[in-house]
Amino acid sequence: AQSVAQPEDQVNVAEGNPLTVKCTYSVSGNPYLFWYVQYPNRGLQFLLKYITGDNLVKGSYGFEAEFNKSQTSFHLKKPSALVSDSALYFCAVRDGAGSARQLTFGSGTQLTVLP
Amino acid sequence: NAGVTQTPKFQVLKTGQSMTLQCAQDMNHNSMYWYRQDPGMGLRLIYYSASEGTTDKGEVPNGYNVSRLNKREFSLRLESAAPSQTSVYFCASSELRGSVYEQYFGPGTRLTVT
Repeated sequence: AQSVAQPEDQVNVAEGNPLTVKCTYSVSGNPYLFWYVQYPNRGLQFLLKYITGDNLVKGSYGFEAEFNKSQTSFHLKKPSALVSDSALYFCAVRDGAGSARQLTFGSGTQLTVLP
Repeated sequence: NAGVTQTPKFQVLKTGQSMTLQCAQDMNHNSMYWYRQDPGMGLRLIYYSASEGTTDKGEVPNGYNVSRLNKREFSLRLESAAPSQTSVYFCASSELRGSVYEQYFGPGTRLTVT
């Protein structure tokens, strides 16, 4: 079985400050990890993914995520937050590649960047 | 290139009514998915179709049926709607990038069952 936990329902950060959105996962095999962002009344948009290789993954809009195997975490980060980053963020995990069924999403974290 | 499109955007049903949610993609993807999104629960997979002509149950299939009409279209049917099916429904499709399927989502259908 695979699962994802996003321990914070809400994260508030001031504009210009660094932000972190936390994600931990559980999977039996090799994890493939994803971050998606959802703006109000829109579908999810892909931000970045970790498959293998460098533990620091860079994605869209200046976001990056750090894979930590020992802590089974994949936290999303950005050095300097923008008000336009305010959205709902989802972490997702897949156990191995190629199976259409096995993408499990976390419950989401609402990020609010305060001006 | 419209990506993944869904109709309708909003729908209100009475308990017991039926309806079909439509989804189409123009990216020539083989795999398509239906999810529901409920507050505090993230997205849960209802059904998926790995390729044209095949469909499989996901995590929460009860009360739903699907049809993969052709490679482009994947519909979700509620035969007898219940208030518990009030949710936002997302369709997605995926392609293989490298060794991993990357999913693309439609804008969603907001369904209320009274």
